[in-house]
Amino acid sequence: AQSVAQPEDQVNVAEGNPLTVKCTYSVSGNPYLFWYVQYPNRGLQFLLKYITGDNLVKGSYGFEAEFNKSQTSFHLKKPSALVSDSALYFCAVGFYGQNFVFGPGTRLSVLP
Amino acid sequence: DAGVTQSPTHLIKTRGQQVTLRCSPKSGHDTVSWYQQALGQGPQFIFQYYEEEERQRGNFPDRFSGHQFPNYSSELNVNALLLGDSALYLCASSLPGVETQYFGPGTRLLVL
Repeated sequence: AQSVAQPEDQVNVAEGNPLTVKCTYSVSGNPYLFWYVQYPNRGLQFLLKYITGDNLVKGSYGFEAEFNKSQTSFHLKKPSALVSDSALYFCAVGFYGQNFVFGPGTRLSVLP
Repeated sequence: DAGVTQSPTHLIKTRGQQVTLRCSPKSGHDTVSWYQQALGQGPQFIFQYYEEEERQRGNFPDRFSGHQFPNYSSELNVNALLLGDSALYLCASSLPGVETQYFGPGTRLLVL
């Protein structure tokens, strides 16, 4: 069965510092990998995806993620955090034409 | 270009009642997926519609049913509501087989 883990319920970082939100997955085959962000009382906003190619993918709002096949990880990163980045972040895996499996989410708090 | 829209935004029902939620996909998208997001959890896949047929289904009981119309909009119906059905219901649209799903703002359902 496919599963996605986000080992940290909460990540706190000071504004201007780099941030990392971790994601690991357990699936068979070569999945597509995604990050979405959710602000309070809102739906999910697409940030970035990995399909194939370069292991470092760049997305919206200065976010990037690094795919590591051997560690089955897809960690989300940003070089300099903003207070406005505070939100709930979800990692998801999927396959071509298939539904997504989401992780439980990580709450990011950026402190001024 | 309008994104994914959902109605209503909020809904309060009592146990045993039935509810219908509506979704209009992003312009040009013909595949609609529905997810249930319970409080503090990641979204769980309910089902996906393409060409007016249910193409995939997650682990949800038959009380959850859906429909897709010729204009690609979709409805989610839940019968015999239970307290545990209280959640944010998210609709996502995509192009067939294309990996990225775009989410609407959700409908928050409260069952009393």
